[in-house]
Amino acid sequence: DGGITQSPKYLFRKEGQNVTLSCEQNLNHDAMYWYRQDPGQGLRLIYYSQIVNDFQKGDIAEGYSVSREKKESFPLTVTSAQKNPTAFYLCASKPHLGQTNTEAFFGQGTRLTVV
Amino acid sequence: AQTVTQSQPEMSVQEAETVTLSCTYDTSESDYYLFWYKQPPSRQMILVIRQEAYKQQNATENRFSVNFQKAAKSFSLKISDSQLGDAAMYFCAYRSARAGANSKLTFGKGITLSVRP
Repeated sequence: DGGITQSPKYLFRKEGQNVTLSCEQNLNHDAMYWYRQDPGQGLRLIYYSQIVNDFQKGDIAEGYSVSREKKESFPLTVTSAQKNPTAFYLCASKPHLGQTNTEAFFGQGTRLTVV
Repeated sequence: AQTVTQSQPEMSVQEAETVTLSCTYDTSESDYYLFWYKQPPSRQMILVIRQEAYKQQNATENRFSVNFQKAAKSFSLKISDSQLGDAAMYFCAYRSARAGANSKLTFGKGITLSVRP
């Protein structure tokens, strides 16, 4: 079955450590996104990528980094510079950035807790 | 920049009754899409319904329908014959239809809907 897989589902990190969240899709989608969800805040865009080896900052990119070395993979690294990293992280993909009549598919998310 | 506002943090509805969730938005664009997403306890985001701004007809998907008022920038979701499985958080979202836009979704803060048996 095609879909988006985020792993792990739950992740714990010590303060000061970097951690990488995985997002893999087998939908052959060009565009991929990372959103952060906090209670009472809705979802906010961290980074997005239109094609391999290209990515752009979203609204809250500070303290995060990404890579897009393969079409199917878009990992997110939460660095020690992120002041408040505890949150729920959602990855999404879309067939093509320019196809405005197609919608994004979401993964099931990763809950990151800093201890 | 576009903004999406959901002013009601929580709502409750009796099973089999109808409930309306409110959403307003602000944009200077004329062509865009509006969405309602459902997030159940599993936290999987599920697309409930989509409205294209250039279409005057309100979108409908089975028990879900919208009231799209473009001039008022209002986009409410009506759930008819509410079921226990409708209990979830619901997000209103906006996306530009402008060519070259990054297709990012702008979300409201969400509303938690509970369904009473």
